[in-house]
Amino acid sequence: GQSLEQPSEVTAVEGAIVQINCTYQTSGFYGLSWYQQHDGGAPTFLSYNALDGLEETGRFSSFLSRSDSYGYLLLQELQMKDSASYFCAVHSSASKIIFGSGTRLSIRP
Amino acid sequence: DTAVSQTPKYLVTQMGNDKSIKCEQNLGHDTMYWYKQDSKKFLKIMFSYNNKELIINETVPNRFSPKSPDKAHLNLHINSLELGDSAVYFCASSQELAGGRRETQYFGPGTRLLVL
Repeated sequence: GQSLEQPSEVTAVEGAIVQINCTYQTSGFYGLSWYQQHDGGAPTFLSYNALDGLEETGRFSSFLSRSDSYGYLLLQELQMKDSASYFCAVHSSASKIIFGSGTRLSIRP
Repeated sequence: DTAVSQTPKYLVTQMGNDKSIKCEQNLGHDTMYWYKQDSKKFLKIMFSYNNKELIINETVPNRFSPKSPDKAHLNLHINSLELGDSAVYFCASSQELAGGRRETQYFGPGTRLLVL
């Protein structure tokens, strides 16, 4: 079967760094994506990792370890606008993406 | 210049009714999707069409029927609506890249369906 696990909630302080972990089980693996969704909004793409290692895009970085079936999203210099839900998603085939249940990130001033 | 658009944005209806949600993308993508997001925020794929052909059909009641008149449109028709169908329905699209990779999905704004 296919499954993803990520924490349901994370709280952090403005200006700090936070890491959201994701572990997955899948029969096929093409890559791991991260999406951000603000309340009432649509998911928006953040990053994609197909190979092991760290991908950096501004304040956000994403890491993948295929051997450990594990990845994480790292958010630096947190801003209040980063308060949102973050979803990891496994690309289990060329066309199919399975989403995790999402991590709700709350940021305190 | 909206990339993926859906109509309507809100849909309130009675149990037993039949309703449709429309989706259009102007990105020239070859694949479109329908997702259902329930009250717990769980985002689940329902259908996927590639160049008007159905390629993913998850375990969804057959009351849900997608229709793709062309590559840029994917509509969702729901018959005999039930209370449990209340959710946000997102349309999305993506494009195959070199090597068969498909990295980014672009989501529409969602249709909030409430069945009374």
